Amino acid sequence: NAGVTQTPKFRVLKTGQSMTLLCAQDMNHEYMYWYRQDPGMGLRLIHYSVGEGTTAKGEVPDGYNVSRLKKQNFLLGLESAAPSQTSVYFCASSYSTQGGFERNQPQHFGDGTRLSIL
Amino acid sequence: AQRVTQPEKLLSVFKGAPVELKCNYSYSGSPELFWYVQYSRQRLQLLLRHISRESIKGFTADLNKGETSFHLKKPFAQEEDSAMYYCALRLYGGSQGNLIFGKGTKLSVKP
Repeated sequence: NAGVTQTPKFRVLKTGQSMTLLCAQDMNHEYMYWYRQDPGMGLRLIHYSVGEGTTAKGEVPDGYNVSRLKKQNFLLGLESAAPSQTSVYFCASSYSTQGGFERNQPQHFGDGTRLSIL
Repeated sequence: AQRVTQPEKLLSVFKGAPVELKCNYSYSGSPELFWYVQYSRQRLQLLLRHISRESIKGFTADLNKGETSFHLKKPFAQEEDSAMYYCALRLYGGSQGNLIFGKGTKLSVKP
């Protein structure tokens, strides 16, 4: 049981390049989240998904797109990377009951992806 | 608006000293609060949730609705407690259980 796995762990991009970060969870969680972590800013929610085929915007969605084609995977895409997107990206997932959110269940986090954009 | 405030960016204490990491929240609904810890270059891990009322690694946190606080406390700090600590508030309704994080407090425990 690996929990939440993120790939890659590190990446350096040039401005304007595109890339996709992959998050996979094996806990059969319905809910998945993408955060970015910046010094002095804590974690901020980029996008989230409440189930396969559904996504929604979080606090800082601009410049990112996501897809949830399979329940276990949540992809974060940068179409045209900018230096302001240099950050550490964390994926998380959590349990829910059918038709609702299970109170008090924590989010489980991946190890993070350290992304630098030059 | 929902908000989580951790007033201290850095808290430095000596080993064996008591430690308190402050967390205040702003939320009109019924709050659900968590403390997450992140050791150097590791993933965030759940430390405590207010509903459990448990002690993990010697840490406790009590929800005070009157003061809208959820401070994290430990009577005797250890060097291995050095880490980044995040307080988080869970939202309900349209936000589908999203967490709002504070900006974090870096705890440094000196020998």
